[in-house]
Amino acid sequence: SQQGEEDPQALSIQEGENATMNCSYKTSINNLQWYRQNSGRGLVHLILIRSNEREKHSGRLRVTLDTSKKSSSLLITASRAADTASYFCADSSGSARQLTFGSGTQLTVLP
Amino acid sequence: DAGITQSPRYKITETGRQVTLMCHQTWSHSYMFWYRQDLGHGLRLIYYSAAADITDKGEVPDGYVVSRSKTENFPLTLESATRSQTSVYFCASSDEVGTAEAFFGQGTRLTVV
Repeated sequence: SQQGEEDPQALSIQEGENATMNCSYKTSINNLQWYRQNSGRGLVHLILIRSNEREKHSGRLRVTLDTSKKSSSLLITASRAADTASYFCADSSGSARQLTFGSGTQLTVLP
Repeated sequence: DAGITQSPRYKITETGRQVTLMCHQTWSHSYMFWYRQDLGHGLRLIYYSAAADITDKGEVPDGYVVSRSKTENFPLTLESATRSQTSVYFCASSDEVGTAEAFFGQGTRLTVV
């Protein structure tokens, strides 16, 4: 069963704007990861945030984690047309630590 | 070339036929995974493997068989394909399970007619 759920399902913004995507999960996690998928391609890892971290940055990406609300957000600043893709959160929970993916947010950045 | 490769990229098969999707990685990662991706469901784990000769079921294993005789290969077999198995299949590998990034292949688009 899906653990993480992304919100919104689709997001359309203008180039240069910031994009924020949210992810909620149900049970305690070991860590949470964000992936990007360009159309017709495999998933590419963006960033991993551990359960004891609250915020993490990587270039134009900022990820926050709120374990009390069981939620995470991915912020992409100064978006570019090349950021157009689907974004997935994936959490690792339980002893098996398998990654469980949400259904993703489709981001469209208009030039 | 280093990386993880899947073959074939596209496959059309008939209901009831057996079909095998191949996955090969060059990093010697211990863990390998098979996911299927369907609209509205995101990625769902079919099977995973922690090492050669060790495999375990994921969320949706019914109708699939896997083997891992060598660390670098993790084939997925549909023993008798059904239309509900029409999907995009992704193989992934990782050094650790859940605590490190997973590397994905480019996917196999399977259509069962």
